[in-house]
Amino acid sequence: DAKTTQPNSMESNEEEPVHLPCNHSTISGTDYIHWYRQLPSQGPEYVIHGLTSNVNNRMASLAIAEDRKSSTLILHRATLRDAAVYYCILKGAGSYQLTFGKGTKLSVIP
Amino acid sequence: EADIYQTPRYLVIGTGKKITLECSQTMGHDKMYWYQQDPGMELHLIHYSYGVNSTEKGDLSSESTVSRIRTEHFPLTLESARPSHTSQYLCASSTGGSNEQFFGPGTRLTVL
Repeated sequence: DAKTTQPNSMESNEEEPVHLPCNHSTISGTDYIHWYRQLPSQGPEYVIHGLTSNVNNRMASLAIAEDRKSSTLILHRATLRDAAVYYCILKGAGSYQLTFGKGTKLSVIP
Repeated sequence: EADIYQTPRYLVIGTGKKITLECSQTMGHDKMYWYQQDPGMELHLIHYSYGVNSTEKGDLSSESTVSRIRTEHFPLTLESARPSHTSQYLCASSTGGSNEQFFGPGTRLTVL
């Protein structure tokens, strides 16, 4: 499986936008980019996924570079409840398994 | 809201005991997974099932075993618990038509 690289930690002020980067320079043409997050003492939860085009949903936006070697998860207004570990995961088309890395621990400052 | 349940949420048990961690989902998902996560570390897939009577080992070797006799139920068993089994165990499910895995709240196992 192609690997992803994320910063170990990031900080954001409450109510400000947050841009969480992910590098995946060895991504294959059929790999989807998935984001999950894990709040303290909980199981992970799905955030968003995309293939080539930018994607928006109620939780976040996903911006994918034109060469697909990097992507950015955007939280438009960080709240204290967004403090979590965010995982960027590549999943091949037709694959059902997720391979988690260490993720980025996001701290939100009131 | 994901309908996937794990029991118990916390378990402290002595070495050598047999334990079963329960996982159930009410979404009719055909695929189910078990992950192991040590504190502050990443999740590792230890077992998965793509349907009834189908089970496979994941990327991380585990002494645990699983069974899938019913679609909604995917229990994990340790025949003889050891302190090295102390960890958090997370169950998840998904369906072929979705890209999303739904996770349960996890079971925190401590073996003394």
